[in-house]
Order: sequence, then structure tokens, then C-alpha cells
Amino acid sequence: AQSVAQPEDQVNVAEGNPLTVKCTYSVSGNPYLFWYVQYPNRGLQFLLKYITGDNLVKGSYGFEAEFNKSQTSFHLKKPSALVSDSALYFCAVRDSDYKLSFGAGTTVTVRA
Amino acid sequence: EAGVTQFPSHSVIEKGQTVTLRCDPISGHDNLYWYRRVMGKEIKFLLHFVKESKQDESGMPNNRFLAERTGGTYSTLKVQPAELEDSGVYFCASSARTDQPQHFGDGTRLSIL
Repeated sequence: AQSVAQPEDQVNVAEGNPLTVKCTYSVSGNPYLFWYVQYPNRGLQFLLKYITGDNLVKGSYGFEAEFNKSQTSFHLKKPSALVSDSALYFCAVRDSDYKLSFGAGTTVTVRA
Repeated sequence: EAGVTQFPSHSVIEKGQTVTLRCDPISGHDNLYWYRRVMGKEIKFLLHFVKESKQDESGMPNNRFLAERTGGTYSTLKVQPAELEDSGVYFCASSARTDQPQHFGDGTRLSIL
């Protein structure tokens, strides 16, 4: 079975500092990995995906993610966090049946 | 383009009652998915429609849950009778093709009293 893990329940950073949200995965074949963000009382918004190709994937709102096969990780990053980035972030893996398996989520708080 | 729309946004019912959730996918999206997040737990897959056909319903918890997608447009998810453990947020998502990212609605928060 495919799965992802988000080891941190919460991440707190100061505005302007780098932001990293961690995700590790476990898959039996090629990984199809995604990051989604959920703002309060809203649905999940797609940020970026890794299917194949470059290990550094760029997405929406200045976010990027680094795929590392040897460490089975897919960490989400932003060089300079904004207060508006405060939200709940989910890492997900898609299996061969196209359904997504999500991590538990990481709450990001960016303080001014 | 309009996004995925879910109705109602919030539903509060008593144990034993029936509730029907509705999802309108993005126009033209053949693939429609239902997920739910029970309080404090992970988002879990429920089922996947391709047009009006159920492609995968392996995540449906039990036979109290019935999903339909008549005509391959909007979908409904009925819970009958509702139990306390059904409380959570039910998300719907759609995609044009299965290899494209799924776009989510804002969810329906279901509270069973």
C-alpha cells in the first residue's frame, strides 16, 4: 500500500524566513506525489505535483518541492514565508487506481 | 471556470436520520471522487466515479453510505441512517483525466448529534 507521512503537526516560522514542510513517502512503484493547501473553511487547493523529471518542482504561490528518491522524501519549501501562507498543508500520493492517500497534515503558522 | 461546488456547506442532524450531500464537479470533468476527514484523522478516499460508473468504491465504510452520479454530472452521497462516527468533513474532487490533479470543493461539514 502507498502512504505518506508528515512528521510535524505544526511548523512555526517568522515572516520572511524560509519555510519547509516535511513529507516522506512509501510506494511500491514510481511515486506520484502532490501537495495541497487548505485555508480555513475552504477546500484543498492544489499546489504542485511530482510525476517524473526534475527533482525540484515549482508550484503555485512561490512554493516548490524537492523530490529525493534516496531519502523517499518530498519536502515542500518556500524561500520567504508570508503571513498569508498560514494554513494546513497536506502531502499526498496517488496510487495506480488514481485515488489519493493523504498525510495527517501540517499546520503552518507564519508570524509577522 | 467554476470550481467544484458542494452543498450544503454544513449539516447538523440527529443520529438515525438521513442526510444527502451533493457535489457538482467542474464542467466536463468525467472523474469525480469523494473523500472524508473524520475529526483529527487523515483524509480518506471513499469512492471514484468515471462518468456515471463507480470505478472504485473500496473506501466506502459500510452499506449505510450510498453514492450516485446519475447522468454523469453531479453526484450525491447519502448516509442512512447516520451514526455518530459519521461526523466529519466530506470532500468532493474532480478531474478531467485520471492522470491530472484533482480539484477539490470546500467540503460539507457533517455533524451527527
